[in-house]
Amino acid sequence: QSALTQPASVSGSPGQSITISCTGTSSDVGSYNYVSWYQQHPGKAPKVMIYEVSNRPSGVSHRFSGSKSGNTASLTISGLQADDEADYYCGSFTSSNTPWVFGTGTKVTVL
Amino acid sequence: QVQLQESGPGLVKPSQTLSLTCTVSGGSISSGHYFWSWIRQPAGKGLEWIGRISSSGSTIYNPSLNSRLSISIDTLKNQFSLELTSVTAADTAMYYCAREVMLAVYSSSSGVGSAPDYWGQGTLVTVSS
Repeated sequence: QSALTQPASVSGSPGQSITISCTGTSSDVGSYNYVSWYQQHPGKAPKVMIYEVSNRPSGVSHRFSGSKSGNTASLTISGLQADDEADYYCGSFTSSNTPWVFGTGTKVTVL
Repeated sequence: QVQLQESGPGLVKPSQTLSLTCTVSGGSISSGHYFWSWIRQPAGKGLEWIGRISSSGSTIYNPSLNSRLSISIDTLKNQFSLELTSVTAADTAMYYCAREVMLAVYSSSSGVGSAPDYWGQGTLVTVSS
């Protein structure tokens, strides 16, 4: 099972909006609404920010939103803040030989 | 709120066995709504799903590690463990244990779906002589 494809890096200025893409296949993102997004600050464990494509866990800012179109899921961060600078990973259920696959990861830089 | 904590040796010699334990607090590992998994991350690289176990002991492993991997569960101690045999430098990574929430989807290849939600803080394992 190959990793889902994400851009290596995305950047934006404070207050702007950025979008991170996560491209999979019809065996994962394209066929199932089970996509999660994780935020990982340096030296910390990943934290779930979005689950089931567009749902936010309690305590996660409304500035984070998720969507999906075809084989590509997206995470949008609006009103970019300094603390949003981190690595972001998508993940999806997959019908292949493992039940879960992660994306390649995207480094978000706040300019 | 559930918390997970990894423990085990930080240094393992090549060809030996890597053994880690995850202790779960704030919830019962016997809950039928969750799976319990291991995920690793080499320094500066992405996340790799290693495998998971159910409260009843049913396991699914990443095929790339299948022949070297074993995950077990001790419901009395509220712990689950990982053993990876014949390690090499390529197994050097931060190892995370995680809780996976059961999903309403099924695959003939890997059974009931599950998604990681709560993670431990991670433990760094270095394979070196």
